[in-house]
Amino acid sequence: DVKVTQSSRYLVKRTGEKVFLECVQDMDHENMFWYRQDPGLGLRLIYFSYDVKMKEKGDIPEGYSVSREKKERFSLILESASTNQTSMYLCASRRTGGLQPQHFGDGTRLSIL
Amino acid sequence: AQSVTQLDSQVPVFEEAPVELRCNYSSSVSVYLFWYVQYPNQGLQLLLKYLSGSTLVESINGFEAEFNKSQTSFHLRKPSVHISDTAEYFCAVQGGSEKLVFGKGTKLTVNP
Repeated sequence: DVKVTQSSRYLVKRTGEKVFLECVQDMDHENMFWYRQDPGLGLRLIYFSYDVKMKEKGDIPEGYSVSREKKERFSLILESASTNQTSMYLCASRRTGGLQPQHFGDGTRLSIL
Repeated sequence: AQSVTQLDSQVPVFEEAPVELRCNYSSSVSVYLFWYVQYPNQGLQLLLKYLSGSTLVESINGFEAEFNKSQTSFHLRKPSVHISDTAEYFCAVQGGSEKLVFGKGTKLTVNP
């Protein structure tokens, strides 16, 4: 089974802090994704990466950046955390091509105080 | 570009009743269609997927979804629900890129 592991289930940070969310997958998937999930808004794509060191903006990239130095690891960075970034963050990975589904981690619930 | 509309944000039903969760999509290209389920405090899990072939797709836990190209719909159904089916369900579409576009979700609550 594919395993996508997010480093923290719950995280509390203060406004202005630089925050790192880490995600690791163990199935050599080319593609990795970061979403945020908010009640009534569903999942919104922040960034995705289709290869090491490659990234593309999703629908809501403002205030975020990402890093993918190794194939198995995809980091989401909040450059200067703000209270409106309090949310559930979900990481996913996917093999390229065909009807390959995305596999999700359990999420990180981030609170910015 | 693709978009997904889940027509009901919440669906309450009684145990052993049938349920239908509605999903409509729009796209200018051929798409793959997915249903994901999210149990409380967990990530999303794939429930079923459709690319082509038979328009009726089944999952291992009794759910099925029917692709209707003319109505651009991919509704999810189960003839008899259990308490354990209580979860949030997301319809998603993928077409032309590696990105998935999700609906806003439907919360299914199964009451005893």
